[in-house]
Amino acid sequence: EVQLVESGGGLVQPGGSLRLSCAASGFTFSSYSMNWVRQAPGKGLEWVSYISSSSSTIYYADSVKGRFTISRDNAKNSLYLQMNSLRAEDTAVYYCARGSPEVPYFDYWGQGTLVTVSS
Amino acid sequence: QTVVTQEPSFSVSPGGTVTLTCGLSSGSVSTSYYPSWYQQTPGQAPRTLIYSTNTRSSGVPDRFSGSILGNKAALTITGAQADDESDYYCVLYMGSVWVFGGGTKLTVL
Repeated sequence: EVQLVESGGGLVQPGGSLRLSCAASGFTFSSYSMNWVRQAPGKGLEWVSYISSSSSTIYYADSVKGRFTISRDNAKNSLYLQMNSLRAEDTAVYYCARGSPEVPYFDYWGQGTLVTVSS
Repeated sequence: QTVVTQEPSFSVSPGGTVTLTCGLSSGSVSTSYYPSWYQQTPGQAPRTLIYSTNTRSSGVPDRFSGSILGNKAALTITGAQADDESDYYCVLYMGSVWVFGGGTKLTVL
């Protein structure tokens, strides 16, 4: 069974940093691309970042470019999101989502971790 | 900036049929955008329903179907049930970014 478990969320002050993790199990992690998708309270979904299976290709949404860094450790079956210079508008539940290898969509989702940026 | 449009809300009677759409602020949605659809109930993670325009994800009942209608992607629910009451999101792939629509809140009553 595919499982994605996010962790690392919490309360952080504006301008601060936080690192999210996503632990994957139930599939060959190194064969799949991964994504981060977020959802602000009461709002819709927003794609944040993509990383290919080998980390050779990385994409970011304009809203986080230059502040967030996606990475992965295939030996540890883990995905990460380093978030710097956090703003109030980054407050959201952050989901990790597996990318399908054949077509560009998100086939499995974690339960999410809440990040709150507030003083 | 490209905006993906969805109806903010929709209502359907139990047993009825409803079609939700996913459009572009400028231009037409085609299969080359690989439209996909996700269902989300409050407090839960999204669930994948449809990908690549019209392919149902594993375990999704066949009363959910996807298509291109005119210049939009569409999600049709045939024989709506009470537990279909959810938020529905489409997302379009645009080469190096994915853009979600604002979501449609579906009420079954």
